[in-house]
Amino acid sequence: DAGVTQSPTHLIKTRGQQVTLRCSPKSGHDTVSWYQQALGQGPQFIFQYYEEEERQRGNFPDRFSGHQFPNYSSELNVNALLLGDSALYLCASSLFGTSGSALGQYFGPGTRLTVT
Amino acid sequence: AQKITQTQPGMFVQEKEAVTLDCTYDTSDPSYGLFWYKQPSSGEMIFLIYQGSYDQQNATEGRYSLNFQKARKSANLVISASQLGDSAMYFCAMREATAGNNRKLIWGLGTSLAVNP
Repeated sequence: DAGVTQSPTHLIKTRGQQVTLRCSPKSGHDTVSWYQQALGQGPQFIFQYYEEEERQRGNFPDRFSGHQFPNYSSELNVNALLLGDSALYLCASSLFGTSGSALGQYFGPGTRLTVT
Repeated sequence: AQKITQTQPGMFVQEKEAVTLDCTYDTSDPSYGLFWYKQPSSGEMIFLIYQGSYDQQNATEGRYSLNFQKARKSANLVISASQLGDSAMYFCAMREATAGNNRKLIWGLGTSLAVNP
């Protein structure tokens, strides 16, 4: 049973460029959440996708956008990259409707983005 | 607003000893969930233990236990018989107490644990 997978593992981009990160959820999961974790910080919620729609959004600018595909995989896009976007980007998958139980979110290994 | 506070940036423990990692939370909602995750240097968040606000007993999962003191709004993680592989960052998180499914997690800043041989 494959867990959550993310690609690429590492990425180096230049200010002003655009980047796309990818996530495949754990088998049987239908909801994907994205988090940004800056160095020395806890993760910050970016947004969550279910049924190919953005369901919740954290306090992130419109430069951050996403997409969910019919197979539940998801992409995170960041436009006009800033130095401050350098972080570990974590994808978490879950099964919609399990929020009231201990069935939490399963995390992928993350994509480490460096903006120079 | 919901908030998680972890006041210990770093902790040291001798192998085979027990260690307690502190976590306090703030919420006005009576229904919430508390989580502890381990993050090794590889970056992946590993789920350790969960405590629901209405759970009567403290949660336990193997060597991990959660000391839940609801009145004090604290949810400390206790790791018994520490192992070298326990060296990692530990995060306390709270499931946001809002209506709807799949509510997001709110995180603390984490505690770095080093286990000495």
